[in-house]
Amino acid sequence: DTGVSQNPRHKITKRGQNVTFRCDPISEHNRLYWYRQTLGQGPEFLTYFQNEAQLEKSRLLSDRFSAERPKGSFSTLEIQRTEQGDSAMYLCASSPGGMAYNEQFFGPGTRLTVL
Amino acid sequence: LAKTTQPISMDSYEGQEVNITCSHNNIATNDYITWYQQFPSQGPRFIIQGYKTKVTNEVASLFIPADRKSSTLSLPRVSLSDTAVYYCLVGDLSGSARQLTFGSGTQLTVLP
Repeated sequence: DTGVSQNPRHKITKRGQNVTFRCDPISEHNRLYWYRQTLGQGPEFLTYFQNEAQLEKSRLLSDRFSAERPKGSFSTLEIQRTEQGDSAMYLCASSPGGMAYNEQFFGPGTRLTVL
Repeated sequence: LAKTTQPISMDSYEGQEVNITCSHNNIATNDYITWYQQFPSQGPRFIIQGYKTKVTNEVASLFIPADRKSSTLSLPRVSLSDTAVYYCLVGDLSGSARQLTFGSGTQLTVLP
């Protein structure tokens, strides 16, 4: 399968714990995006990378959220000191470069439940 | 930032054409308009993208008027498998205000 993969698919944690999610994009894609989606809502844009450079991070929800893409391949999204309001689906997508914006290929998401 | 508005839900019958409209009154000059389809427990899937006028591919058409304040996704001859949530996405990553804004989605239900 050469699509976008995300791990884990599900994560249950207790409030106050840190969690990290991984995204492996399509190999030839140099753009990678993170979104959060809550029930009944559209995905909410968080951040994106062009290769290893994080070009937009002001949409991250708070300073508890951080993302990295150290070698321009896979990416991680970390949430520190989780809160119950962080419970959501976290989606990753990737796209080829070139245009200012183009078709994104989404992974299946990581569902986070904070108890 | 572009805010998008879509109908919450629509019903249709198999074989009919379905048109879903998205309003984006404050769309910026560089913003593109993209539509995605999402099934439960899956990530969104790209349908079509445009900037102005009309775009057609093998699954849908996208109509964008000259003022670009709205867009209409047209699905010809829908089938039961087209039952899903459809989102419009407005945005651009080239400018200083890099933002991609999804609408709240339209639940399309195709009936037999």
